[in-house]
Amino acid sequence: AQSVSQHNHHVILSEAASLELGCNYSYGGTVNLFWYVQYPGQHLQLLLKYFSGDPLVKGIKGFEAEFIKSKFSFNLRKPSVQWSDTAEYFCAVNVNQAGTALIFGKGTTLSVSS
Amino acid sequence: EAGVAQSPRYKIIEKRQSVAFWCNPISGHATLYWYQQILGQGPKLLIQFQNNGVVDDSQLPKDRFSAERLKGVDSTLKIQPAKLEDSAVYLCASSPPTGADTEAFFGQGTRLTVV
Repeated sequence: AQSVSQHNHHVILSEAASLELGCNYSYGGTVNLFWYVQYPGQHLQLLLKYFSGDPLVKGIKGFEAEFIKSKFSFNLRKPSVQWSDTAEYFCAVNVNQAGTALIFGKGTTLSVSS
Repeated sequence: EAGVAQSPRYKIIEKRQSVAFWCNPISGHATLYWYQQILGQGPKLLIQFQNNGVVDDSQLPKDRFSAERLKGVDSTLKIQPAKLEDSAVYLCASSPPTGADTEAFFGQGTRLTVV
């Protein structure tokens, strides 16, 4: 069965610090990879996604993620965080097949102090 | 474009009572999902519909949970009877009917507290 591991449960950073959140998945076949964000009081929103092609994908608000197939990883990065990035971040994966459901990691809470 | 609508936003019930949640997906989205998100964990799939047919309900506790999607649009999720461990946020999501490279769009969720 597929699973997703997020290594950091809670990350605390100061504004302008760089961010990297780890995500690993377990599945031997072709997968689609996602990062979702949930700001306080809001619904889950897509940050970025990878289906194929360039393994470095760019998303909204300056976030990017790199797919490293050999490491089964899809880490999220941002060079300089802002206070408004305070949120919960979820890595998710689904099998590369139409209509399959997402499997989520446990999430990482990011707290950014100004 | 209107998003995924869910109601109610919050619900508090006593254990052994029943409760129902409603979801209206984005217009034209054929696939609808119900997820359960327990505090401190990521969303876990309960059931997936394609139009009005069930695609995956392998993780739905069928002795107490039921879901339906009549006419392939709105959906309801019911819990009867509720247990303390059902306290969670219940998320509805929908996605378009095209291919694997589509994202799921989530509603605000219903926060259920069982006391």
